[in-house]
Amino acid sequence: GNSVTQMEGPVTLSEEAFLTINCTYTATGYPSLFWYVQYPGEGLQLLLKATKADDKGSNKGFEATYRKETTSFHLEKGSVQVSDSAVYFCALWDNDMRFGAGTRLTVKP
Amino acid sequence: DTGVSQDPRHKITKRGQNVTFRCDPISEHNRLYWYRQTLGQGPEFLTYFQNEAQLEKSRLLSDRFSAERPKGSFSTLEIQRTEQGDSAMYLCASSLPELAGVGNEQFFGPGTRLTVL
Repeated sequence: GNSVTQMEGPVTLSEEAFLTINCTYTATGYPSLFWYVQYPGEGLQLLLKATKADDKGSNKGFEATYRKETTSFHLEKGSVQVSDSAVYFCALWDNDMRFGAGTRLTVKP
Repeated sequence: DTGVSQDPRHKITKRGQNVTFRCDPISEHNRLYWYRQTLGQGPEFLTYFQNEAQLEKSRLLSDRFSAERPKGSFSTLEIQRTEQGDSAMYLCASSLPELAGVGNEQFFGPGTRLTVL
């Protein structure tokens, strides 16, 4: 069946550091891929998405590229801020939604 | 319309009791989803509706769980004969329908936290 595996956390970075959170997936079809974020005390919200191979999703300085050849959708940001501290979930939609376990990011000033 | 709402926000029950949760989606969204999330894990898909039709149901979903969306608006999730392992956060989300197999953004509610004693 379909599944998502993402980098285990927690991840702690200093402000302005480069961020990568790895995500790989297994799917039998052609899934849509998402990154959701959960800020402290808030609900899940969409960060970015990509719907086909080689698409790049981007939002708030975050980017992820749908790589079919490596079945990956890694999340990157060039310069993180304290306000980016949250839990990040990689997810896959193909008739149902599969989420990764989440990666907690803490950014220190 | 301010988003997806869920009621109650917290529920404490004794093992063996039945519980029911309600979800009100964003009004123009005809898709509604239920998830379960335990501490340190991502949301686990349970089921989803398009209008009043239940289109997909997880094979992991016990027969004690049932969801309805009778008029294609709000939905209820009932758990019968609760067990301690049912303790979790139950999340509801809604979305517009997918187009050509492309998944749409899901908008999540705040969740109902269930504790089974």
